[in-house]
Amino acid sequence: GDSVTQMEGPVTLSEEAFLTINCTYTATGYPSLFWYVQYPGEGLQLLLKATKADDKGSNKGFEATYRKETTSFHLEKGSVQVSDSAVYFCALSDRYRGGSQGNLIFGKGTKLSVKP
Amino acid sequence: SQTIHQWPATLVQPVGSPLSLECTVEGTSNPNLYWYRQAAGRGLQLLFYSVGIGQISSEVPQNLSASRPQDRQFILSSKKLLLSDSGFYLCARDTYYGYTFGSGTRLTVV
Repeated sequence: GDSVTQMEGPVTLSEEAFLTINCTYTATGYPSLFWYVQYPGEGLQLLLKATKADDKGSNKGFEATYRKETTSFHLEKGSVQVSDSAVYFCALSDRYRGGSQGNLIFGKGTKLSVKP
Repeated sequence: SQTIHQWPATLVQPVGSPLSLECTVEGTSNPNLYWYRQAAGRGLQLLFYSVGIGQISSEVPQNLSASRPQDRQFILSSKKLLLSDSGFYLCARDTYYGYTFGSGTRLTVV
């Protein structure tokens, strides 16, 4: 079945460092890809998404490009801040399977800690 | 508004006790609704989804159940909690732009 694999954390960086969180997926069709962020004690928030190959999602300085050839959707940010400390989840949607429901399949999450 | 309300925010329950977590949504009618559980070290697991009133699909066999008595209400229940039911439970709805999640319920079974 479809699956998402993301790099294990925790990841600890200094403020203004470059961030990469790797994410690869396995899917039989053409899924949409997402990054969600979870701040401590809160639910998940959509960070960015991409719906087709070569699309780039971006938000709050974060970017990720849908790479079909490498089945990847790596999250990057050029200069992280302390406020970026959170857990980041990569996910894919199997909406392409048809029907009205599109279940999100999540990776296990990567905890990011940014030190001042 | 696509707001999702979940309560309670935290809950501590003894083993063997019943459970009822409620999720209500605002916005468009007939939303697709989801219950996810986040357990330590295991990421997010889809438990149930519903495409309409009375329509529930279960993704994993377990001692939990779900019901959708009204269009914008989604309830997660258990008759007898197990220690392994501890976790962070999230309700979600899907929208054109992606999923919107509630703020979650932290359940600790003792």
